[in-house]
Amino acid sequence: NAGVTQTPKFQVLKTGQSMTLQCAQDMNHNSMYWYRQDPGMGLRLIYYSASEGTTDKGEVPNGYNVSRLNKREFSLRLESAAPSQTSVYFCASSDVRIYTEAFFGQGTRLTVV
Amino acid sequence: DQQVKQNSPSLSVQEGRISILNCDYTNSMFDYFLWYKKYPAEGPTFLISISSIKDKNEDGRFTVFLNKSAKHLSLHIVPSQPGDSAVYFCAATGNQFYFGTGTSLTVIP
Repeated sequence: NAGVTQTPKFQVLKTGQSMTLQCAQDMNHNSMYWYRQDPGMGLRLIYYSASEGTTDKGEVPNGYNVSRLNKREFSLRLESAAPSQTSVYFCASSDVRIYTEAFFGQGTRLTVV
Repeated sequence: DQQVKQNSPSLSVQEGRISILNCDYTNSMFDYFLWYKKYPAEGPTFLISISSIKDKNEDGRFTVFLNKSAKHLSLHIVPSQPGDSAVYFCAATGNQFYFGTGTSLTVIP
C-alpha cells in the first residue's frame, strides 16, 4: 500500500522556470491538500481539494495553481518560480469522515536559484 | 493569522523522563485535534488525536490532554526515548487541517 506518492523528491529550478509537482493517493480519499514547510513557519496550506472537481485556496496560494485531475491525483504548478518558493512541499489526503487524520507524502524539496 | 500555535520551538529531555509539548488554538469551533511526528526528510506521520468531547486520550507512552476552556492541548510522552527525537506538530480540524509551527524534541540518552 503506497499511500501518498509525490514526485519528484528533489528539484532545482532557475527563477522564472515552471514546473508541476505531482501527487497521487491510493486510499480512495476525497480530500487532498498541498502544504509547504519553511523553518519556523510550520506547515502552511497552499491549496486543498475537498472532493474531485473542487479546489480552494489555503493560507499561501499566491504563485501557485492546482489541478484535481481525478480522485487519485492532485498536482501543484509553479508558473514562474521565485526564490521565495524555495521550500519543502507536502501533499496529503484524508477521508471525508469527520474525526479523521490526514496522510502525508514524503515531500518534495524544491530550490529556486 | 495563526490559529494553532506552538510557542516552544524546541525542547530537550533526558531519556526516561517525561516530555510535555504544548499547543494553543484560537478557534472555538475546532472539534478534533491531532499530533503528528516528523523525522528529517520524511513526511509527517499521525501520532494521536482527541475529539472535543474528551479531555484525555492515551495510546501507550503517548497521552494527549485537551482543555477546551483554555483552548489548550498538550502531548505527554512517558518515558521519553531517543527515538522520540523529532519535530512534533499539533493540528486542529475545521474544513481543513490547521497546523502549528512545530516543536523540535531532543531526547538525550
